[in-house]
Amino acid sequence: DTGVSQDPRHKITKRGQNVTFRCDPISEHNRLYWYRQTLGQGPEFLTYFQNEAQLEKSRLLSDRFSAERPKGSFSTLEIQRTEQGDSAMYLCASSPKAGGPLRSTDTQYFGPGTRLTVL
Amino acid sequence: GNSVTQMEGPVTLSEEAFLTINCTYTATGYPSLFWYVQYPGEGLQLLLKATKADDKGSNKGFEATYRKETTSFHLEKGSVQVSESAVYFCALSRAGGFKTIFGAGTRLFVKA
Repeated sequence: DTGVSQDPRHKITKRGQNVTFRCDPISEHNRLYWYRQTLGQGPEFLTYFQNEAQLEKSRLLSDRFSAERPKGSFSTLEIQRTEQGDSAMYLCASSPKAGGPLRSTDTQYFGPGTRLTVL
Repeated sequence: GNSVTQMEGPVTLSEEAFLTINCTYTATGYPSLFWYVQYPGEGLQLLLKATKADDKGSNKGFEATYRKETTSFHLEKGSVQVSESAVYFCALSRAGGFKTIFGAGTRLFVKA
């Protein structure tokens, strides 16, 4: 079990550029989540996939943001026309499929995050 | 809606002191409750969890008890170490494994 991995760990971009982040969940997990964390705050939910289906999206996810999980394994989060307000840590998490220990699907395991700085 | 409130930091303690970080929640139904820890520049690590009322989660000397009557999940440790200086997040997730809702975090500084 190698844990959740994210790439890149750091990204610096200029305002108006597009950026894409990748998340590889724990291999046997079928649920994948994206969160955004700004300085001094707790993570805020962005979106959630079960296998390849995107089942929930936060109102925080404006039309400049898009997430995909085409084969139900890794996921990408793209931000188009970045703004300085997009600067944050983007966290990915995964959780187990149903059928395991009671409430095991409730527990999310987080990756190290991608820190985005928009200049 | 569902929410988590935790005590504001920073909390500054001397090494080997007793730690309490208060956490209360508002939720419909019976959520699972969690404490996560975040070290500087890193992602969140699950510290402990409890899935039903009166459950006690424990790990690495940290404990928290799911109190439904007071809607609380306070984190405690009998003797903190300098290496445990970090930000601690209380969180909840409703049954079924959907989004996790986090408190704002409490920064802990432990002095040698």
